[in-house]
Amino acid sequence: AQSVAQPEDQVNVAEGNPLTVKCTYSVSGNPYLFWYVQYPNRGLQFLLKYITGDNLVKGSYGFEAEFNKSQTSFHLKKPSALVSDSALYFCAVREASGATNKLIFGTGTLLAVQP
Amino acid sequence: NAGVTQTPKFQVLKTGQSMTLQCAQDMNHEYMSWYRQDPGMGLRLIHYSVGAGITDQGEVPNGYNVSRSTTEDFPLRLLSAAPSQTSVYFCASSGLPRSGNTIYFGEGSWLTVV
Repeated sequence: AQSVAQPEDQVNVAEGNPLTVKCTYSVSGNPYLFWYVQYPNRGLQFLLKYITGDNLVKGSYGFEAEFNKSQTSFHLKKPSALVSDSALYFCAVREASGATNKLIFGTGTLLAVQP
Repeated sequence: NAGVTQTPKFQVLKTGQSMTLQCAQDMNHEYMSWYRQDPGMGLRLIHYSVGAGITDQGEVPNGYNVSRSTTEDFPLRLLSAAPSQTSVYFCASSGLPRSGNTIYFGEGSWLTVV
């Protein structure tokens, strides 16, 4: 069965510092991995995805994520956090060979960036 | 660009009432789905559709019905609302599942059942 784990309910970081939001996954085949961000009372916005190729994926708003197959991880990173990055972040996975687009989501990590 | 549009944004229902959450997309996407978001549980799939006339159940389908008469629209019906259905509902769409098509979400519908 597919699953996603986001081990931290909340990540606190000072503005200007680097940030990491962790994600590990489990699928039986090759994964497609996604990061979404949710601002208060808003929908989910797509940040980036890993499909194949380069393990370092760059996305919107200066975010990037590194796919590590041996550790089954897809951590979200940003070199310098902004207060406006404060939001709820979701990691999601689906099997590359899957016949549907059913995404399995993690429980979310709240990122709080202090000024 | 409208993308995925959901209505209503907020709704309060009494237990036992029925209602329909509307979802429309203007991207000619074949795949559409409904998720619910609950605190500490992430998003869970309710129902999905891979094209007009084709629907299937997700993880938590009980108490909900869907239909897909057109490519653009994918309404979610609550048959007899229960307090356990208090949640935030998201509609999503994408191209068919090849090459890792990105799923795009609507802005959400906040539903309270009292």
